[in-house]
Amino acid sequence: DTGVSQDPRHKITKRGQNVTFRCDPISEHNRLYWYRQTLGQGPEFLTYFQNEAQLEKSRLLSDRFSAERPKGSFSTLEIQRTEQGDSAMYLCASSSSSGGDTGELFFGEGSRLTVL
Amino acid sequence: TQLLEQSPQFLSIQEGENLTVYCNSSSVFSSLQWYRQEPGEGPVLLVTVVTGGEVKKLKRLTFQFGDARKDSSLHITAAQTGDTGLYLCAGALDTGNQFYFGTGTSLTVIP
Repeated sequence: DTGVSQDPRHKITKRGQNVTFRCDPISEHNRLYWYRQTLGQGPEFLTYFQNEAQLEKSRLLSDRFSAERPKGSFSTLEIQRTEQGDSAMYLCASSSSSGGDTGELFFGEGSRLTVL
Repeated sequence: TQLLEQSPQFLSIQEGENLTVYCNSSSVFSSLQWYRQEPGEGPVLLVTVVTGGEVKKLKRLTFQFGDARKDSSLHITAAQTGDTGLYLCAGALDTGNQFYFGTGTSLTVIP
């Protein structure tokens, strides 16, 4: 399977715990995005990488959230001291800059977080 | 508030009917995409429009980008049950490469 993969698919945690999600993009894609989505709503932009550089981070993202893409391949999204409001689907997408600014985003199936 | 507002938020129609979904913003976009998302899956691209006034057709789906590149519409002719899903517009601002998604339209086509 050469699509975008995310792990874990589901995570249940207690409030105050830290969680980490991993995203493996399509191998030749240099752009990687993280989004958060609640049921029936559109994905909310969190952050964006081009290669290993984090080029943009949403102002809505609190300092409890951090993302890395150390070698320009896979990425991790960590949420520290989780709150119930963090419960959502976390989606990762990748694209190729060779597609220009109109490049198609390829999404993974998401990591669903439930904070009790 | 989200950058792109979609209307309606929910739509339930009979098979065979036509429908239009709207995506509006006060911002100008360099390109706009439409995605469809099914439960438990990530969004899948349907179309990309880049030129103001552009119209693209994909079988029974017709997409239009507004002349000022601030809005878009998706029209489905003779809806089928397989069209059921969450429809999302996503725009790229002139100033960056990130895509901002709309609020979503949940479509249910009843047989």
